[in-house]
Amino acid sequence: AQRVTQPEKLLSVFKGAPVELKCNYSYSGSPELFWYVQYSRQRLQLLLRHISRESIKGFTADLNKGETSFHLKKPFAQEEDSAMYYCALGGGSNYKLTFGKGTLLTVNP
Amino acid sequence: DAGVIQSPRHEVTEMGQEVTLRCKPISGHDYLFWYRQTMMRGLELLIYFNNNVPIDDSGMPEDRFSAKMPNASFSTLKIQPSEPRDSAVYFCASPRNRDSDGYTFGSGTRLTVV
Repeated sequence: AQRVTQPEKLLSVFKGAPVELKCNYSYSGSPELFWYVQYSRQRLQLLLRHISRESIKGFTADLNKGETSFHLKKPFAQEEDSAMYYCALGGGSNYKLTFGKGTLLTVNP
Repeated sequence: DAGVIQSPRHEVTEMGQEVTLRCKPISGHDYLFWYRQTMMRGLELLIYFNNNVPIDDSGMPEDRFSAKMPNASFSTLKIQPSEPRDSAVYFCASPRNRDSDGYTFGSGTRLTVV
């Protein structure tokens, strides 16, 4: 069975501080990991995919298969980063994604 | 492409009434997913379709919930009768492309049952 765990429901940091949103997964196959962001009362938007190894808005995430983790990191948080962040796991041929429960990030001035 | 389009954006209804939520997926995609978002449970997959056929509806909470996809460009999620605990934001989503590149989400329907 697929499972995604985001252990922190809430995370609060000050502007300029580093931020790390944790994500662990459980999956027997070859995982595909994503991070989605949802700004206040908006639709979910794709932020990162592990296969692309890109950096978006200063965020990066590395897939660690040994630790079954895909933590999202940013060295210097900005106030506009305040949002809900969801980690998602896929891997089958049916495009189905399993989402974690999300972490609400608040960046304080 | 206008993306995934949902209607209505907001729905307020009284307990016991029927509610119908609508979704127009991205054209050319065979899959469509319905999710429910609440503070307590996050994003829950309710049902998904492939080629207009329901593949997995194990996430549909009760028989009061039903979903259809009569054609490739339209899907509905119906709740009858509605209850206050159904209050949530309901999203539908299409795969972004033929690769495993995640979803494009609709803007969601915020349902309030009073």
